[in-house]
Amino acid sequence: DQQVKQNSPSLSVQEGRISILNCDYTNSMFDYFLWYKKYPAEGPTFLISISSIKDKNEDGRFTVFLNKSAKHLSLHIVPSQPGDSAVYFCAASYEGAQKLVFGQGTRLTINP
Amino acid sequence: NAGVTQTPKFQVLKTGQSMTLQCAQDMNHEYMSWYRQDPGMGLRLIHYSVGAGITDQGEVPNGYNVSRSTTEDFPLRLLSAAPSQTSVYFCASSYRRSGSPLHFGNGTRLTVT
Repeated sequence: DQQVKQNSPSLSVQEGRISILNCDYTNSMFDYFLWYKKYPAEGPTFLISISSIKDKNEDGRFTVFLNKSAKHLSLHIVPSQPGDSAVYFCAASYEGAQKLVFGQGTRLTINP
Repeated sequence: NAGVTQTPKFQVLKTGQSMTLQCAQDMNHEYMSWYRQDPGMGLRLIHYSVGAGITDQGEVPNGYNVSRSTTEDFPLRLLSAAPSQTSVYFCASSYRRSGSPLHFGNGTRLTVT
């Protein structure tokens, strides 16, 4: 049972435009959500997080939105840059949980 | 500024062989974990540890053993390698078990023939 789903395996965006990556979850206990970015031959690196008491969190060009009623979160990157080309994973957890549950990942390609 | 260090980076095994993937962190993190990454499957938790001497199973523990004798080290042992264990393995650590981001190593790419 895939509790965290990223339904788009890939996304292609023009440089300077907005990139929107989506993630859905099924477990209503999740209250902490994270996005990770992964380059080839490297480990995932933490990008941004949001707790369920908020519906938006910003960090520079990156904004994460959380819609608890729809069990949906999204990552917006504005403006997109070539260095943003990577695989993005969303992940979820809850207080007291021993693990992060990851989605399948979305490969973002930024075209010049 | 090492963070999480994994060795080796690459390994090829024959079916039935055993080996240990090494993981060390220098951030004094309590929580450590092992994930495997497979195409279309994301990252799946194999085993985790909330402190020295304490380990537990994740989603896909079969065929793997772990131990945590020190805060710094968390080795993953493959007892009898199978082709289904061909994957990229990531070790990760965090300050506490939930509510803080994981820091990942750069992975070990394992091929079992």
